[in-house]
Amino acid sequence: DQQVKQNSPSLSVQEGRISILNCDYTNSMFDYFLWYKKYPAEGPTFLISISSIKDKNEDGRFTVFLNKSAKHLSLHIVPSQPGDSAVYFCAAMVRGGADGLTFGKGTHLIIQP
Amino acid sequence: DAGVIQSPRHEVTEMGQEVTLRCKPISGHNSLFWYRQTMMRGLELLIYFNNNVPIDDSGMPEDRFSAKMPNASFSTLKIQPSEPRDSAVYFCASSITGGREKLFFGSGTQLSVL
Repeated sequence: DQQVKQNSPSLSVQEGRISILNCDYTNSMFDYFLWYKKYPAEGPTFLISISSIKDKNEDGRFTVFLNKSAKHLSLHIVPSQPGDSAVYFCAAMVRGGADGLTFGKGTHLIIQP
Repeated sequence: DAGVIQSPRHEVTEMGQEVTLRCKPISGHNSLFWYRQTMMRGLELLIYFNNNVPIDDSGMPEDRFSAKMPNASFSTLKIQPSEPRDSAVYFCASSITGGREKLFFGSGTQLSVL
């Protein structure tokens, strides 16, 4: 049973437009959420995170929104650039818990010129 | 900083053979993680170490898998005997002591078991 779900395996967006990547989770104990970005032949790299006490966190072109009641988070990239083409993994954890990060399967974002 | 270093980058082996994957974490990072990535299951945590001690190995699929961390700068993941279903990308990651959030990943080892 997947606790972190990214239901869109891929997403194509035109350069300059907004990219919205979605993530749903089932474990209500999760209190910290992260997005990782992965280029081909490289390992994932940390992008942005949000604590459950917030509903928004912004870092430059990247903003993560958290809706706890819906158990849903999203990553917005504005404006989208060609270098944003990558696989994006959503991850969640219980801070102070015994388990590590639980990852989704990833969404492949393709930025079209 | 060299980052997390994994070797080999690619490994092709035959079913039944022993496979050893290697990892050098970032200097000063005392937590080390082994993940496996497959299309079906995404990124799964296999095991993690804190100060060279295995803390959680519940993700290790079966007894054919074993991991060691003899010192702070080296870890191995061994599969013996290997099977075709073990084919995947295996990532090693490290973080500051006790941190399980912001992980620094290596480039991975692409394992193919024929």
